[in-house]
Amino acid sequence: AQKVTQAQTEISVVEKEDVTLDCVYETRDTTYYLFWYKQPPSGELVFLIRRNSFDEQNEISGRYSWNFQKSTSSFNFTITASQVVDSAVYFCALSGPRDSSYKLIFGSGTRLLVRP
Amino acid sequence: DAGVTQSPTHLIKTRGQQVTLRCSPKSGHDTVSWYQQALGQGPQFIFQYYEEEERQRGNFPDRFSGHQFPNYSSELNVNALLLGDSALYLCASSGTQETQYFGPGTRLLVL
Repeated sequence: AQKVTQAQTEISVVEKEDVTLDCVYETRDTTYYLFWYKQPPSGELVFLIRRNSFDEQNEISGRYSWNFQKSTSSFNFTITASQVVDSAVYFCALSGPRDSSYKLIFGSGTRLLVRP
Repeated sequence: DAGVTQSPTHLIKTRGQQVTLRCSPKSGHDTVSWYQQALGQGPQFIFQYYEEEERQRGNFPDRFSGHQFPNYSSELNVNALLLGDSALYLCASSGTQETQYFGPGTRLLVL
Protein backbone atom coordinates (compact mmCIF):
# COMPACT_ATOMS: atom_id res chain seq x y z
CA ALA A 1 0.00 0.00 0.00
CA GLN A 2 1.10 3.55 -0.62
CA LYS A 3 1.39 5.98 2.25
CA VAL A 4 2.79 9.46 2.89
CA THR A 5 3.65 10.66 6.38
CA GLN A 6 4.20 14.28 7.33
CA ALA A 7 4.96 14.06 11.02
CA GLN A 8 5.12 17.82 11.58
CA THR A 9 1.59 19.09 12.03
CA GLU A 10 2.51 22.72 12.49
CA ILE A 11 5.75 24.73 12.40
CA SER A 12 6.17 28.32 13.48
CA VAL A 13 9.27 30.33 12.56
CA VAL A 14 10.33 33.94 12.53
CA GLU A 15 10.87 35.59 9.17
CA LYS A 16 14.29 34.94 7.60
CA GLU A 17 14.75 31.65 9.44
CA ASP A 18 15.35 28.50 7.40
CA VAL A 19 12.77 25.75 7.79
CA THR A 20 12.62 22.11 6.64
CA LEU A 21 9.39 20.22 6.11
CA ASP A 22 9.73 16.46 6.39
CA CYS A 23 8.07 13.84 4.18
CA VAL A 24 8.41 10.07 4.43
CA TYR A 25 6.73 7.76 1.95
CA GLU A 26 5.97 4.06 1.51
CA THR A 27 5.43 2.29 -1.79
CA ARG A 28 6.13 -1.07 -3.43
CA ASP A 29 6.28 0.44 -6.91
CA THR A 30 9.68 0.76 -8.54
CA THR A 31 8.45 3.67 -10.62
CA TYR A 32 6.76 6.43 -8.67
CA TYR A 33 6.53 10.19 -8.45
CA LEU A 34 6.81 12.55 -5.52
CA PHE A 35 5.28 16.00 -5.31
CA TRP A 36 5.04 19.02 -3.08
CA TYR A 37 2.02 21.31 -3.18
CA LYS A 38 1.35 24.56 -1.32
CA GLN A 39 -2.15 25.39 -0.10
CA PRO A 40 -2.62 29.04 0.92
CA PRO A 41 -5.76 30.08 2.85
CA SER A 42 -7.63 30.51 -0.45
CA GLY A 43 -7.65 26.72 -0.75
CA GLU A 44 -6.13 26.16 -4.17
CA LEU A 45 -3.32 23.62 -4.27
CA VAL A 46 -0.30 25.13 -5.99
CA PHE A 47 2.15 22.72 -7.62
CA LEU A 48 5.75 23.23 -6.49
CA ILE A 49 7.80 20.26 -7.71
CA ARG A 50 7.66 16.74 -9.14
CA ARG A 51 10.40 14.16 -8.77
CA ASN A 52 10.46 10.69 -10.32
CA SER A 53 11.92 7.71 -8.53
CA PHE A 54 14.88 7.44 -10.87
CA ASP A 55 16.09 10.96 -10.30
CA GLU A 56 17.65 11.47 -6.89
CA GLN A 57 19.28 14.76 -7.78
CA ASN A 58 18.46 17.45 -5.32
CA GLU A 59 16.83 20.53 -6.74
CA ILE A 60 16.99 24.20 -5.90
CA SER A 61 14.56 26.84 -7.08
CA GLY A 62 15.21 30.24 -5.60
CA ARG A 63 14.68 29.97 -1.84
CA TYR A 64 13.20 26.48 -2.17
CA SER A 65 15.21 23.26 -2.21
CA TRP A 66 14.28 19.59 -2.11
CA ASN A 67 16.25 16.62 -0.82
CA PHE A 68 15.18 13.22 -2.19
CA GLN A 69 16.74 10.16 -0.55
CA LYS A 70 15.50 6.74 -1.65
CA SER A 71 17.56 5.01 1.04
CA THR A 72 15.42 6.60 3.74
CA SER A 73 12.24 7.02 1.63
CA SER A 74 12.25 10.72 2.30
CA PHE A 75 11.56 13.80 0.21
CA ASN A 76 12.18 16.83 2.39
CA PHE A 77 11.52 20.45 1.50
CA THR A 78 13.59 23.38 2.78
CA ILE A 79 12.69 27.04 2.58
CA THR A 80 15.67 29.33 3.04
CA ALA A 81 15.19 32.80 4.52
CA SER A 82 11.47 32.29 5.04
CA GLN A 83 9.02 35.09 4.33
CA VAL A 84 5.53 35.83 5.64
CA VAL A 85 4.13 34.94 2.19
CA ASP A 86 5.41 31.39 2.71
CA SER A 87 2.75 30.86 5.38
CA ALA A 88 0.50 28.07 4.11
CA VAL A 89 -0.20 24.37 4.45
CA TYR A 90 2.29 22.25 2.52
CA PHE A 91 1.42 18.78 1.26
CA CYS A 92 3.73 16.04 0.14
CA ALA A 93 2.15 13.55 -2.28
CA LEU A 94 3.00 10.27 -3.99
CA SER A 95 1.71 8.72 -7.18
CA GLY A 96 2.39 5.37 -8.76
CA PRO A 97 3.10 4.44 -12.38
CA ARG A 98 0.82 5.05 -15.34
CA ASP A 99 -1.36 2.00 -14.69
CA SER A 100 -2.43 3.58 -11.40
CA SER A 101 -3.60 6.62 -13.35
CA TYR A 102 -1.12 8.68 -11.38
CA LYS A 103 -3.67 9.19 -8.59
CA LEU A 104 -2.16 11.23 -5.80
CA ILE A 105 -1.80 9.96 -2.24
CA PHE A 106 -1.38 12.94 0.05
CA GLY A 107 0.13 13.31 3.49
CA SER A 108 -1.82 15.11 6.17
CA GLY A 109 0.04 18.36 5.54
CA THR A 110 2.28 20.67 7.56
CA ARG A 111 0.99 24.10 8.45
CA LEU A 112 3.81 26.65 8.27
CA LEU A 113 3.42 29.97 10.02
CA VAL A 114 6.08 32.59 9.33
CA ARG A 115 5.91 35.44 11.82
CA PRO A 116 7.24 38.92 11.00
CA ASP B 1 -3.52 30.41 -20.56
CA ALA B 2 -6.49 29.68 -18.29
CA GLY B 3 -5.88 27.31 -15.43
CA VAL B 4 -8.33 24.85 -13.94
CA THR B 5 -11.66 26.45 -13.11
CA GLN B 6 -14.39 25.18 -10.81
CA SER B 7 -17.93 26.26 -10.06
CA PRO B 8 -19.56 27.16 -7.83
CA THR B 9 -17.04 28.43 -5.29
CA HIS B 10 -19.34 27.83 -2.32
CA LEU B 11 -22.48 25.80 -1.84
CA ILE B 12 -24.83 25.13 1.06
CA LYS B 13 -27.14 22.11 0.94
CA THR B 14 -29.25 20.15 3.41
CA ARG B 15 -29.02 16.47 4.21
CA GLY B 16 -30.58 14.23 1.58
CA GLN B 17 -30.22 16.71 -1.25
CA GLN B 18 -28.17 16.22 -4.38
CA VAL B 19 -25.35 18.44 -5.64
CA THR B 20 -23.46 18.90 -8.91
CA LEU B 21 -20.00 20.46 -9.05
CA ARG B 22 -18.31 21.49 -12.27
CA CYS B 23 -14.73 21.63 -13.50
CA SER B 24 -13.01 22.87 -16.64
CA PRO B 25 -9.49 21.56 -17.15
CA LYS B 26 -6.39 23.52 -18.03
CA SER B 27 -5.98 24.11 -21.75
CA GLY B 28 -4.41 21.08 -23.42
CA HIS B 29 -5.31 18.66 -20.62
CA ASP B 30 -7.60 15.70 -21.22
CA THR B 31 -7.73 14.02 -17.81
CA VAL B 32 -9.71 15.21 -14.81
CA SER B 33 -9.42 13.92 -11.25
CA TRP B 34 -11.60 14.80 -8.27
CA TYR B 35 -10.50 14.95 -4.64
CA GLN B 36 -12.31 15.54 -1.36
CA GLN B 37 -10.52 17.45 1.36
CA ALA B 38 -12.07 17.42 4.82
CA LEU B 39 -11.08 20.16 7.24
CA GLY B 40 -7.55 19.72 8.53
CA GLN B 41 -6.79 16.72 6.32
CA GLY B 42 -5.05 15.99 3.06
CA PRO B 43 -7.09 15.55 -0.13
CA GLN B 44 -8.55 12.09 -0.80
CA PHE B 45 -8.87 10.75 -4.35
CA ILE B 46 -12.47 10.23 -5.48
CA PHE B 47 -12.12 9.26 -9.14
CA GLN B 48 -10.51 10.13 -12.44
CA TYR B 49 -12.00 10.62 -15.91
CA TYR B 50 -10.26 10.15 -19.24
CA GLU B 51 -11.88 9.88 -22.68
CA GLU B 52 -15.29 10.31 -21.02
CA GLU B 53 -14.81 7.14 -18.95
CA GLU B 54 -14.13 6.65 -15.26
CA ARG B 55 -10.57 5.31 -15.31
CA GLN B 56 -9.99 4.78 -11.62
CA ARG B 57 -11.96 5.20 -8.42
CA GLY B 58 -10.99 5.73 -4.82
CA ASN B 59 -12.77 4.42 -1.74
CA PHE B 60 -15.98 6.43 -2.07
CA PRO B 61 -19.56 5.13 -2.15
CA ASP B 62 -21.74 5.01 -5.26
CA ARG B 63 -23.46 8.20 -4.11
CA PHE B 64 -20.47 9.88 -5.70
CA SER B 65 -20.64 9.80 -9.48
CA GLY B 66 -19.16 11.78 -12.29
CA HIS B 67 -19.13 12.56 -15.93
CA GLN B 68 -16.71 13.89 -18.49
CA PHE B 69 -17.84 15.74 -21.59
CA PRO B 70 -16.28 15.74 -25.08
CA ASN B 71 -14.62 19.08 -24.32
CA TYR B 72 -12.91 17.37 -21.32
CA SER B 73 -14.84 19.32 -18.70
CA SER B 74 -16.26 17.26 -15.87
CA GLU B 75 -19.00 17.11 -13.27
CA LEU B 76 -19.05 15.53 -9.85
CA ASN B 77 -22.46 14.52 -8.53
CA VAL B 78 -23.20 13.57 -4.95
CA ASN B 79 -26.61 12.11 -4.07
CA ALA B 80 -28.30 11.78 -0.69
CA LEU B 81 -25.94 14.22 0.97
CA LEU B 82 -24.70 13.46 4.47
CA LEU B 83 -23.27 15.89 7.02
CA GLY B 84 -19.92 14.16 6.51
CA ASP B 85 -19.86 15.20 2.87
CA SER B 86 -19.06 18.75 3.98
CA ALA B 87 -15.62 19.42 2.54
CA LEU B 88 -13.56 21.23 -0.05
CA TYR B 89 -13.90 19.47 -3.40
CA LEU B 90 -10.89 19.88 -5.62
CA CYS B 91 -10.63 19.19 -9.30
CA ALA B 92 -7.27 18.55 -10.94
CA SER B 93 -6.37 18.22 -14.59
CA SER B 94 -3.42 16.60 -16.29
CA GLY B 95 -2.18 15.85 -19.75
CA THR B 96 0.49 13.49 -21.01
CA GLN B 97 2.70 14.09 -18.00
CA GLU B 98 2.16 12.97 -14.44
CA THR B 99 1.64 16.35 -12.82
CA GLN B 100 -1.87 17.31 -11.76
CA TYR B 101 -2.83 20.98 -11.59
CA PHE B 102 -5.60 21.94 -9.22
CA GLY B 103 -8.47 24.37 -9.38
CA PRO B 104 -9.59 26.67 -6.55
CA GLY B 105 -12.09 24.15 -5.23
CA THR B 106 -15.75 24.19 -4.24
CA ARG B 107 -16.56 24.48 -0.55
CA LEU B 108 -19.63 22.38 0.22
CA LEU B 109 -21.47 22.72 3.50
CA VAL B 110 -24.19 20.21 4.31
CA LEU B 111 -26.60 21.24 7.07
